Amino acid sequence: DTEVTQTPKHLVMGMTNKKSLKCEQHMGHRAMYWYKQKAKKPPELMFVYSYEKLSINESVPSRFSPECPNSSLLNLHLHALQPEDSALYLCASSQEVSQVDTIYFGEGSWLTVV
Amino acid sequence: QKEVEQNSGPLSVPEGAIASLNCTYSDRVSQSFFWYRQYSGKSPELIMSIYSNGDKEDGRFTAQLNKASQYVSLLIRDSQPSDSATYLCAVKRETDSWGKFQFGAGTQVVVTP
Repeated sequence: DTEVTQTPKHLVMGMTNKKSLKCEQHMGHRAMYWYKQKAKKPPELMFVYSYEKLSINESVPSRFSPECPNSSLLNLHLHALQPEDSALYLCASSQEVSQVDTIYFGEGSWLTVV
Repeated sequence: QKEVEQNSGPLSVPEGAIASLNCTYSDRVSQSFFWYRQYSGKSPELIMSIYSNGDKEDGRFTAQLNKASQYVSLLIRDSQPSDSATYLCAVKRETDSWGKFQFGAGTQVVVTP
């Protein structure tokens, strides 16, 4: 079982809704990531947090707003999404960002925007 | 040119045979290389990591890295139907003090009984 937990596993939201995806890890990792994956495509990096600070934002639209309340939690706030934002959203963590290290994925949150 | 390239497949492999997957990357400063397995509808799961030239074996899996030629491969020996999945190659660059994982599009492997 993955040690990165994501909730909810499935989310259906309208284009005017505000919702959040949540991620939690208890491995003591100091880097956390949000990836977006469309069907039959590789994961695309969205955001990287290192030591609870946003270190990478891959030019993600502002309708996606990340938040890192503490070293174990990572949220992704969603507002005014478009149907093309429907995808699998993957949270991941690694011990460090700058060290040679591996990222571990959560099980993902399937998002459908209607 | 994509940063990480893989053949999309599907790669059809008879049960018990060796599956050979290849991955090439364009950025010479890449230092860390990973293979993930992703079952349909599931999240990627780490199989192997390799950082130095040569071979690294873990059970039925062998990763091979050749930095001079900028490729990394994965061999799956004694392939089983449970190995049917998409295999993602990931490359980590150590640039600007931040490591960024770049994923290939994945190779779909189908192991036939």
